[in-house]
Amino acid sequence: DAGVIQSPRHEVTEMGQEVTLRCKPISGHDYLFWYRQTMMRGLELLIYFNNNVPIDDSGMPEDRFSAKMPNASFSTLKIQPSEPRDSAVYFCASTLGQGHSGNTIYFGEGSWLTVV
Amino acid sequence: SQQGEEDPQALSIQEGENATMNCSYKTSINNLQWYRQNSGRGLVHLILIRSNEREKHSGRLRVTLDTSKKSSSLLITASRAADTASYFCATGNYGGATNKLIFGTGTLLAVQP
Repeated sequence: DAGVIQSPRHEVTEMGQEVTLRCKPISGHDYLFWYRQTMMRGLELLIYFNNNVPIDDSGMPEDRFSAKMPNASFSTLKIQPSEPRDSAVYFCASTLGQGHSGNTIYFGEGSWLTVV
Repeated sequence: SQQGEEDPQALSIQEGENATMNCSYKTSINNLQWYRQNSGRGLVHLILIRSNEREKHSGRLRVTLDTSKKSSSLLITASRAADTASYFCATGNYGGATNKLIFGTGTLLAVQP
């Protein structure tokens, strides 16, 4: 299995620009998670989907952030407009069943975002 | 908000020594998981222990859980340079108020060859 695939791996963009991060979960997994990792705040859960439906987006920082999952094999996290404080590593992860109930969550390699 | 806090924040040992990392959490849980993150990579699941278990082994890994103290420890025996990574605990609370897997702050382990 190819694992969770994220793109781009690295992106540098200017403040105010739109950023779109992409994720392909592991085939057959019904839960998809977006996490953000920074030195200051650690690993934060932004939003998660079950069967393509957003279940909990309480971790999304503000309206500039949006996430979609149009089908079982693709999800996007969009930041518009981007700000320097959005600089972080964004991880997509997937699992079969709920991760918090004990199922292993599989992480992608992350998208390293720098907003200048 | 973070549920778990790892201790120590950083640990440096010699190859062959044992490494012990601790995790404390705040609310009741159904399970606790440990993940490893190599520099510049994603997190990889290591081991899971359920709330009704006290100890679990997997290869060179040993995990303990003390629900009365709301704490867990991860022991890596006979460490190798390849064990150098950050280690995170994550707590799951299925059916509770917070249906999420929440990660701790992590311990950075450096194993010197």
